[in-house]
Amino acid sequence: NAGVTQTPKFRVLKTGQSMTLLCAQDMNHEYMYWYRQDPGMGLRLIHYSVGEGTTAKGEVPDGYNVSRLKKQNFLLGLESAAPSQTSVYFCASSYGGLRENTEAFFGQGTRLTVV
Amino acid sequence: GNSVTQMEGPVTLSEEAFLTINCTYTATGYPSLFWYVQYPGEGLQLLLKATKADDKGSNKGFEATYRKETTSFHLEKGSVQVSDSAVYFCASGYSTLTFGKGTMLLVSP
Repeated sequence: NAGVTQTPKFRVLKTGQSMTLLCAQDMNHEYMYWYRQDPGMGLRLIHYSVGEGTTAKGEVPDGYNVSRLKKQNFLLGLESAAPSQTSVYFCASSYGGLRENTEAFFGQGTRLTVV
Repeated sequence: GNSVTQMEGPVTLSEEAFLTINCTYTATGYPSLFWYVQYPGEGLQLLLKATKADDKGSNKGFEATYRKETTSFHLEKGSVQVSDSAVYFCASGYSTLTFGKGTMLLVSP
């Protein structure tokens, strides 16, 4: 039972470097999400996707890009990392939107530090 | 826009004490409401949910009732255990989730 798998689990970047976080789910879910978790801020939605080939902006999209080329994968890219992007990133997926009374399943998180 | 407000922690209790974590929301219409739990070093897990007014979600001894009139979804448990120590997040939403800032619960033996 893999569920939602995020890679890598930890990463340290220098300011200005780029990287891609990978999220993979094996539950055939239509919806996928990227959140960031910061102390005292809870989780904030970065981008999300309601199906293969679609993406949409969330609450804090600046500095990030995403792609959903395959239904099972949702990639989060940082083109030029900044210290303000130091955070724990969580990917989640759900079968449908919440009006369909479905549950969101979360990955274990990626701890990213930008120095 | 939508927002969720929950009580700040940490909440420190002795084993077998009664737990309440307050949560209120603002939203247009009637969103679905959730409580998620995060254990140290792990992702979030759904604890319970309610999708319409007066619904009661329950799981593992935890309960919360969707109160439309007070826009609240307070989490309760009659007798907490040390293993309940975690961070609890209240969330609301339609197609995406809006989270509160989280409340840390610490239960001592």
